[in-house]
Amino acid sequence: ELKVEQNPLFLSMQEGKNYTIYCNYSTTSDRLYWYRQDPGKSLESLFVLLSNGAVKQEGRLMASLDTKARLSTLHITAAVHDLSATYFCAVDGIWGGATNKLIFGTGTLLAVQP
Amino acid sequence: DAGVTQSPTHLIKTRGQQVTLRCSPKSGHDTVSWYQQALGQGPQFIFQYYEEEERQRGNFPDRFSGHQFPNYSSELNVNALLLGDSALYLCASSLEPRNTIYFGEGSWLTVV
Repeated sequence: ELKVEQNPLFLSMQEGKNYTIYCNYSTTSDRLYWYRQDPGKSLESLFVLLSNGAVKQEGRLMASLDTKARLSTLHITAAVHDLSATYFCAVDGIWGGATNKLIFGTGTLLAVQP
Repeated sequence: DAGVTQSPTHLIKTRGQQVTLRCSPKSGHDTVSWYQQALGQGPQFIFQYYEEEERQRGNFPDRFSGHQFPNYSSELNVNALLLGDSALYLCASSLEPRNTIYFGEGSWLTVV
């Protein structure tokens, strides 16, 4: 059974600092997603990583994928308060290739303090 | 272009009742998946519909059923509601080949 783990579960950081959220998954997959969720809201797509070594950046967020290590990272550069939210990684479940059956991680609650 | 739309946004039901949630996928999308997100947890996959057939199913009891219509819209039905069914129900749509998956705003279900 595919399992997805994120760490840390909770991250309190100061504005202007850098930090990384880690996403480990247990079986082979080359399709990984990052989502942001604000309190009481739905999921906002941040990145789709489709191959080993993929790196994508948008503003202060950068995501990467290492399929051999079964690891994805979400790096936050010079955090600002607006980035406060819960971040989820999700891996495409296995069923003959890409299936859009997403297995989500536990989520990382990010709180950026002034 | 409207994104994924869900209805209703909030509803309260009593234990033992039945509920139907509705989803219209993003224009042109043919695959609809449903997820349950309990408070403080990540979404859990319920099932997926493609070409009006249930293609995949997660670890949910038969009380959870669904349907996809010819226009690709979908319904999620839950029978014999339990308190533990209280959650945010998310609909997601996508198009072959599968890259970005779009989520609706969700339906908040409270079972009392």
